[in-house]
This record gives sequence, C-alpha cells and structure tokens, in this order.
Amino acid sequence: GQQVMQIPQYQHVQEGEDFTTYCNSSTTLSNIQWYKQRPGGHPVFLIQLVKSGEVKKQKRLTFQFGEAKKNSSLHITATQTTDVGTYFCAGRGNTDKLIFGTGTRLQVFP
Amino acid sequence: DGGITQSPKYLFRKEGQNVTLSCEQNLNHDAMYWYRQDPGQGLRLIYYSQIVNDFQKGDIAEGYSVSREKKESFPLTVTSAQKNPTAFYLCASNRNTGGNSPLHFGNGTRLTVT
Repeated sequence: GQQVMQIPQYQHVQEGEDFTTYCNSSTTLSNIQWYKQRPGGHPVFLIQLVKSGEVKKQKRLTFQFGEAKKNSSLHITATQTTDVGTYFCAGRGNTDKLIFGTGTRLQVFP
Repeated sequence: DGGITQSPKYLFRKEGQNVTLSCEQNLNHDAMYWYRQDPGQGLRLIYYSQIVNDFQKGDIAEGYSVSREKKESFPLTVTSAQKNPTAFYLCASNRNTGGNSPLHFGNGTRLTVT
C-alpha cells in the first residue's frame, strides 16, 4: 500500500539555525499537505501543494513539491522557539485517502 | 466560532470496557474522520464518513466502531476487542474526502486503559 516517510524523525537546532524536513512517497501524489502539531496540541493545516515543482512561501517557511510529485520538503529559515512542534506531510495518492507521514519533531534551543 | 469539539479531553477506563469518544462539528463539513496517534508516530486512519449514515473502514478499524446519524456528529466507540486502546484520538473533518480540502482537527481525546 501507499506509504509516506519523513526524515529526520527528530531535529534539535539552536535558535537562528535553519531546519528542513523531507517527505517521500512510494507512489505519485495528486497533492500534498503540511500540518504542524504543537506539543500537547492537534495538527493544524499549514499549506497545500498541487503542481509538479511547485514552491510556496509563508514568511520563514518554504514548501516544495517535487517534479515527479513523489516528494516534498519544508524548510524553515532562522528558526525561532515558536517553531517547536511536529511537522507532518500528508499526501493523497491513487486511493484518494490522505496518508500522513511519520512526522518530524523539531526542538529549538534558545 | 466554527470548529470541532471532542470530549472529554482525558478519559480513563478499565480493560474490558467499551468507551465512546464524542466528536461534534459546526463547520457544515460533509466528511469526518477518526485518527489514532501513538507517541512518536504519525496519524493512522481508523474510520471515515463521507455522508450521513455511511462510513468506511480506515487502515486500523479492528476493535473500533462508529456511527454517523447526524452530519454534525461522528462518535467513535473503542471496544474491548481493541488490543492496545491507550492512545491519543483525533477527530477531523473537511468539505469532502476527495479533492484538495484540508483537514480541520479537534483538540483530541487522550484515552488511557488500565
């Protein structure tokens, strides 16, 4: 069945450093969504990418969708303590169900 | 304010008891979902419903049951047949199951079974 993997599983950075999480699917995706879950909270939708090679920015966050629509990345420039949380990608493949990635937990030290 | 309400936030049960988790939404969304989250893991789909009186099994439906008698409500029952019920349960909704509609999540219910 369709699988979505994320790396790394954990990332600890010093405040001000950059951070990137990568999402890889075993099958081609029609779209990919990114969510952020703060510690003790629930996932909150960040953005959706649909087109091959698409790049979208939200302030310090840059999202990319691969040319083959099988991978995606989220890059945070100059992390802040407010960026702490777990970032999930979620892709929609040929089953039309949204499959969540394993998540990357980000810890930012001041 | 539109949103999804899950109750209770924390739930404790003895092994062998069935327990029902509540999920109500006032977003007028057609589709509703139940996910399970275990520590350090992603979200796994238990059940989903596209329309009232209809629902489908997700990836880990064994030991769970649902109903969708009203558009706004999608309760989840964790039965005694579920071998490892202790987990964080998240309810979500969106406009439809297909297409590009993002998921809106409730605050979750943390279930502990001893």
